[in-house]
Amino acid sequence: RKEVEQDPGPFNVPEGATVAFNCTYSNSASQSFFWYRQDCRKEPKLLMSVYSSGNEDGRFTAQLNRASQYISLLIRDSKLSDSATYLCVVNEGGGGKLIFGQGTELSVKP
Amino acid sequence: GAVVSQHPSRVICKSGTSVKIECRSLDFQATTMFWYRQFPKQSLMLMATSNEGSKATYEQGVEKDKFLINHASLTLSTLTVTSAHPEDSSFYICSARDGFEGLGGELFFGEGSRLTVL
Repeated sequence: RKEVEQDPGPFNVPEGATVAFNCTYSNSASQSFFWYRQDCRKEPKLLMSVYSSGNEDGRFTAQLNRASQYISLLIRDSKLSDSATYLCVVNEGGGGKLIFGQGTELSVKP
Repeated sequence: GAVVSQHPSRVICKSGTSVKIECRSLDFQATTMFWYRQFPKQSLMLMATSNEGSKATYEQGVEKDKFLINHASLTLSTLTVTSAHPEDSSFYICSARDGFEGLGGELFFGEGSRLTVL
């Protein structure tokens, strides 16, 4: 079983749609969680951290369910510029060693 | 914000040659840097953790004699792919943390280096 699992997609949605991505992780001792965005052939960039209480940043909402070892990302009112691969990332311990999911590809169409 | 710079961004080499990739933290000191590799349509895989002034820690399955890591200063780590072969062609990305995780230090990524071995 992969340490961090995501549906690779692609998710093809129209502009303005709401889309949700899910991610599961295998290590119950994982300490911190993130969503990164990666554009084609570029480095990943931090989109948002994921907190136990859930957190929102504009059109983006992230949630964490430790009991189910599950993380989600909701994007509302999708824009063309949201097209990218979204990486679920888990820090299993201190020190910055991150475990990446395969990524979920999102394509927003006009 | 903090910036991590990687060089070269793209390199093409012949099979059997060695290639060095540099990773620099431009406005902060990084005692630890991380090297990742990403094949097309796959996730980033951690190769090794580079520690300033000491030996790198390699992940299982990564050949330390093939992927030489040197972290000679607090702002520079290098990855050398020795005797490169076509299967080493990949996107190599480094990352470094600005500060300590417990104090909210964010992890920054270099721009990546795309290696093509002919």
